[in-house]
Amino acid sequence: NAGVTQTPKFRILKIGQSMTLQCTQDMNHNYMYWYRQDPGMGLKLIYYSVGAGITDKGEVPNGYNVSRSTTEDFPLRLELAAPSQTSVYFCASSPGTEWHFGDGTRLSIL
Amino acid sequence: EDKVVQSPLSLVVHEGDTVTLNCSYEVTNFRSLLWYKQEKKAPTFLFMLTSSGIEKKSGRLSSILDKKELFSILNITATQTGDSAVYLCAGTGGSQGNLIFGKGTKLSVKP
Repeated sequence: NAGVTQTPKFRILKIGQSMTLQCTQDMNHNYMYWYRQDPGMGLKLIYYSVGAGITDKGEVPNGYNVSRSTTEDFPLRLELAAPSQTSVYFCASSPGTEWHFGDGTRLSIL
Repeated sequence: EDKVVQSPLSLVVHEGDTVTLNCSYEVTNFRSLLWYKQEKKAPTFLFMLTSSGIEKKSGRLSSILDKKELFSILNITATQTGDSAVYLCAGTGGSQGNLIFGKGTKLSVKP
């Protein structure tokens, strides 16, 4: 039972590049979330999903897109990377009560 | 607007000290309050509180929720250097039924 797995762990992008942050969970949780954490700040919700085929915007969705074609996978896409998107990204899943977090992806946009 | 406010933002103590971390919340449709410990990677779960006045304990850590005052505290007794971390408080509820995080309290325990 791996829990929530995020890849990659680190990535450096140039301004304007695109990339996909991968997140997969093996706990059959319906709820999945993407958060970003900036230095000295708490986690802010980017997008979330309540089940396969259903996604919705969180607090800070601009510049990101998500999809949820399966229960297990919830990738986060950056289409045109901007310096303001430099952050640590956490994926989480939940059965509706407790939350399980991945180890995070540290992303730098230069 | 839903919000969770933690205080202090940072704290430096010596081993053996007792610390109290504070968390106040304003969360619509509030369901529960969670405490997490974050070291270098993902937040790790400590406590989930749903009822007022019932203390939850795990070793040297304890926490309690006051739903009347919209407040929770996390106590750590006999602190150790391994307790050094950022402690995050989060409320569940809000318009999206999600976790709303505070900024965290950075605790540094000196030998």
